[in-house]
Amino acid sequence: DADVTQTPRNRITKTGKRIMLECSQTKGHDRMYWYRQDPGLGLRLIYYSFDVKDINKGEISDGYSVSRQAQAKFSLSLESAIPNQTALYFCATSETQGENQPQHFGDGTRLSIL
Amino acid sequence: SQKIEQNSEALNIQEGKTATLTCNYTNYSPAYLQWYRQDPGRGPVFLLLIRENEKEKRKERLKVTFDTTLKQSLFHITASQPADSATYLCALDTDKLIFGTGTRLQVFP
Repeated sequence: DADVTQTPRNRITKTGKRIMLECSQTKGHDRMYWYRQDPGLGLRLIYYSFDVKDINKGEISDGYSVSRQAQAKFSLSLESAIPNQTALYFCATSETQGENQPQHFGDGTRLSIL
Repeated sequence: SQKIEQNSEALNIQEGKTATLTCNYTNYSPAYLQWYRQDPGRGPVFLLLIRENEKEKRKERLKVTFDTTLKQSLFHITASQPADSATYLCALDTDKLIFGTGTRLQVFP
C-alpha cells in the first residue's frame, strides 16, 4: 500500500461545483502539504500544515481551503471550481524532527474543470 | 522573490553517457537544496539533499554539486540507462520547498 494516498485519482467536474480532494498518510508524519502542478510552472504550494492545529497559506491559496482532520488526513477543497483550477494536485508529507527533511508525495489527482 | 531555473526543458542523451542537469537560482542562497525524480503519472520521489557547506554529494550513480557563489546546482547521472528517463526537479529548501519546473531527461539506447 502507498504511504501517501490521494483520492480521487482523476476528476472531471463543472464550473461552480464544490470539490474535495483527500489525502491520507501512513508515514506518521506531522507535516502535510498541498501543491498544484501546471505545465511550465512547476509545483506551487497551496497550503501546508505542521500539525493538526496548524494551517498555513502557501503561494497560491486563493480559491482553495483545507482541513486537517487528523494527523493522517489533510483535505483540499475548491468551494466553487473555475476552469483555471484545472491542474494536477499533489499531497506531500514530511517529518518534523531532524535536519531539513525530504517530502514524500502521493501520486496526484488530475482535476479537470469544464 | 526567489526564482529557480532548470536550464532546459528536455535533455536527450545516449545510454552510457553522463547526463548533467543544471539548476540556477536568484536572490539569497538556501541552506539546503533537494533533487527529485518524477515519472509520468506519479508524484515526485526524493533523490538527494545537499547542504550549503557541502560541495558535492554522491549516491550510487548520482552526484550533486552546490556552488553558492554561482548560485547553481548540478545534477549528474553517470553511466545513464534508459530507466533513468524521467523529469528531474530541483527544489530550494528554505522554510518551504520552492521547486523548479524540471528537466525531462530521455536516455536512448
